Amino acid sequence: DQQVKQNSPSLSVQEGRISILNCDYTNSMFDYFLWYKKYPAEGPTFLISISSIKDKNEDGRFTVFLNKSAKHLSLHIVPSQPGDSAVYFCAAKAPYNTDKLIFGTGTRLQVFP
Amino acid sequence: KAGVTQTPRYLIKTRGQQVTLSCSPISGHRSVSWYQQTPGQGLQFLFEYFSETQRNKGNFPGRFSGRQFSNSRSEMNVSTLELGDSALYLCASSLEYSTEAFFGQGTRLTVV
Repeated sequence: DQQVKQNSPSLSVQEGRISILNCDYTNSMFDYFLWYKKYPAEGPTFLISISSIKDKNEDGRFTVFLNKSAKHLSLHIVPSQPGDSAVYFCAAKAPYNTDKLIFGTGTRLQVFP
Repeated sequence: KAGVTQTPRYLIKTRGQQVTLSCSPISGHRSVSWYQQTPGQGLQFLFEYFSETQRNKGNFPGRFSGRQFSNSRSEMNVSTLELGDSALYLCASSLEYSTEAFFGQGTRLTVV
């Protein structure tokens, strides 16, 4: 059972426009959510996180929104740049005394000029 | 501050062999987790170690095992390799119960 889902395998956006990546989860006990960016053959790089007690967190061009009632979060990138082209993974921190992360299957973002 | 170091970066093994992968966490990090990434899949959790104790284990067969040493370095071992074990194996380290995990560059294992 996939507890964290990213239903869009790919997204193509023009440079300068907004990129919106979506993520759904099923377990209401998750207490933190994270977004990672990954290039091929490299490890994921942490982008931004949000606590389950908040509904928005912003860091430069990146903003994450959390809708707990819908069990949905989204990552907004504004403005999008060609260097943002990568695979983006949504992850949820498992509850109960663990550092285990549960990942979605990723969304490949392509930003074109 | 050095990041998470995984060795080797690339490995080619034959079916039936065994393999050991190594992970050196960021200095001061005592929590180490391992993940497997296969094409089209997200990162699948393998196991988590803290202070030399396995704290969590993912849904993988017993051929996958790991351990952590007193200096927090960790190894994972896969015995009797199968073609389906070909994947990118990633190690992440963090401060305990941190909201951020730092990943190494991974070990690309190819089983032929």
